[in-house]
Amino acid sequence: NAGVTQTPKFQVLKTGQSMTLQCAQDMNHEYMSWYRQDPGMGLRLIHYSVGAGITDQGEVPNGYNVSRSTTEDFPLRLLSAAPSQTSVYFCASSHRGTTGNTIYFGEGSWLTVV
Amino acid sequence: AQSVTQLGSHVSVSEGALVLLRCNYSSSVPPYLFWYVQYPNQGLQLLLKYTTGATLVKGINGFEAEFKKSETSFHLTKPSAHMSDAAEYFCAVSDLTGGGNKLTFGTGTQLKVEL
Repeated sequence: NAGVTQTPKFQVLKTGQSMTLQCAQDMNHEYMSWYRQDPGMGLRLIHYSVGAGITDQGEVPNGYNVSRSTTEDFPLRLLSAAPSQTSVYFCASSHRGTTGNTIYFGEGSWLTVV
Repeated sequence: AQSVTQLGSHVSVSEGALVLLRCNYSSSVPPYLFWYVQYPNQGLQLLLKYTTGATLVKGINGFEAEFKKSETSFHLTKPSAHMSDAAEYFCAVSDLTGGGNKLTFGTGTQLKVEL
């Protein structure tokens, strides 16, 4: 059982370049989300999705785009990379519901924008 | 809006000593609370969670946490620290509005275990 898989693990971008961070889960989870982790700030929600075709913004959505065409995949697109987007990105998934379902995290993607 | 405050960004304990990591939350609805651990260059692993029922929650690796509504706290404890416990720990509260499962995290506590 692979769980939540993120690619790439490491990436260096130049300012202004675009790229896509891939996320896939094999647990048939309805809910998927992206967080970024910055020193001293914990993790902050970028975008989330409660099912295929449905996405919404989190706390820090600017500069990022998402889509959810399948249950399994939830890619995060950086439209025009900026140094402020240097961070560690985590994809997460869980079942929907009202009982505090466990959220499972990927291993992270380390992104540096120069 | 929900929020989480973790007191102490760095905590240092001796091996064998009690571990106490503090977490206070703010929530307008009954909270679902989580503790996650992150080892260097890895993702987050769930230690334990409180949803409903018993307020003392036991997790993996000998950790436990007690939900205290009157104090809006969810402190993490372990009776005897081990070197392998050195990691960063995050407290989080869940927002289930709209069917989502959005977590609001604290800023984390780095635990150092010394011989």
